[in-house]
Amino acid sequence: SQELEQSPQSLIVQEGKNLTINCTSSKTLYGLYWYKQKYGEGLIFLMMLQKGGEEKSHEKITAKLDEKKQQSSLHITASQPSHAGIYLCGIGMDSNYQLIWGAGTKLIIKP
Amino acid sequence: DSGVTQTPKHLITATGQRVTLRCSPRSGDLSVYWYQQSLDQGLQFLIQYYNGEERAKGNILERFSAQQFPDLHSELNLSSLELGDSALYFCASSVGGYSTGETQYFGPGTRLLVL
Repeated sequence: SQELEQSPQSLIVQEGKNLTINCTSSKTLYGLYWYKQKYGEGLIFLMMLQKGGEEKSHEKITAKLDEKKQQSSLHITASQPSHAGIYLCGIGMDSNYQLIWGAGTKLIIKP
Repeated sequence: DSGVTQTPKHLITATGQRVTLRCSPRSGDLSVYWYQQSLDQGLQFLIQYYNGEERAKGNILERFSAQQFPDLHSELNLSSLELGDSALYFCASSVGGYSTGETQYFGPGTRLLVL
């Protein structure tokens, strides 16, 4: 969706290195979701952020929401092969009941 | 395992045919969402049902229809299939009817190939 941009489109990272994925909305956010997808499989819920400045962590993955910039970043520390996959962000828009999704960031971890 | 089940896992059919995809939401979830994921379009919201009623409609073609039954399982019907309908179809469920603020749990998907 052009309303939601993810960057980078793809990322190759050496195992053990840190990385950051960004998700930027052209519209006001009412909730932002991060999901992970293994190729050809279902989406696994990672985190939901709702308030500006909110930061959540799950294992080695941290997500932050900058409401003013209408942007969220997903940071992975000390990447592992299990982190490989496609990371999708989705945003809630108050005017309707559907989520808008980014195109995804494909993450490859090099051993 | 998200608790959302979808059948079948794979489906191969010919152009012009009709297929039905089935989804069972997580226990206790009243909303079911259908999504289409293709390489060129990404993840696209199709339609949402809440407790048997249509709640929201996205980019769903007129050839496609869905319903949610009293036991809350849902079916997505795709008819007059075209090559471009080949995609992964996901079902997701959530507790309530408002996608904003609720977590959607996704099923494993049905991979549809139209030949």
